[in-house]
Amino acid sequence: KQEVTQIPAALSVPEGENLVLNCSFTDSAIYNLQWFRQDPGKGLTSLLLIQSSQREQTSGRLNASLDKSSGRSTLYIAASQPGDSATYLCAVRDSSNTGKLIFGQGTTLQVKP
Amino acid sequence: SQTIHQWPATLVQPVGSPLSLECTVEGTSNPNLYWYRQAAGRGLQLLFYSVGIGQISSEVPQNLSASRPQDRQFILSSKKLLLSDSGFYLCASQGAGGLGEQYFGPGTRLTVT
Repeated sequence: KQEVTQIPAALSVPEGENLVLNCSFTDSAIYNLQWFRQDPGKGLTSLLLIQSSQREQTSGRLNASLDKSSGRSTLYIAASQPGDSATYLCAVRDSSNTGKLIFGQGTTLQVKP
Repeated sequence: SQTIHQWPATLVQPVGSPLSLECTVEGTSNPNLYWYRQAAGRGLQLLFYSVGIGQISSEVPQNLSASRPQDRQFILSSKKLLLSDSGFYLCASQGAGGLGEQYFGPGTRLTVT
């Protein structure tokens, strides 16, 4: 059974700092991995999707990497801003055609001005 | 990209009352559709998924049911709500083909009193 773990559970950093969020999964037979952002009381916004054959994806100040063999992904946020404060969730999709996602518990990030 | 609509946004219902939450999708055809629940302090749990009209799969035994009467409409229901049904309900869509990215709606906050 696939399990997804995110470390740390919470993180507080000063504005401008570069930071890394970690995600690990127990079964390497994944189809893709998706990083989401969730603001309090809101739905999920997709940030980056990495296919199982890819090593990384970039969007603006965000860079996500994937090491499928070791069951790890990282989300790198450069030059953090107070507007980046949110909960970040990673989710893995299995190889079946159902497209089900298994989510980690999330990392709650606070960027202080 | 896809747009997911959910209503109502918030709902307060007494124990034992019925429930109907609706989700509609724009911008894709024949999507896979999903209902997730996010309870306070817990991660996202997949409740139901559907790969086509009238095709519903349940992930966990519970007091809820789902239906898909049209291609881009997904409904979550209950005949009698329990206190434990309280939570944040999210509908998601995954378009046919493409990268398999899942898009989420804004969610419904359900409080059972």
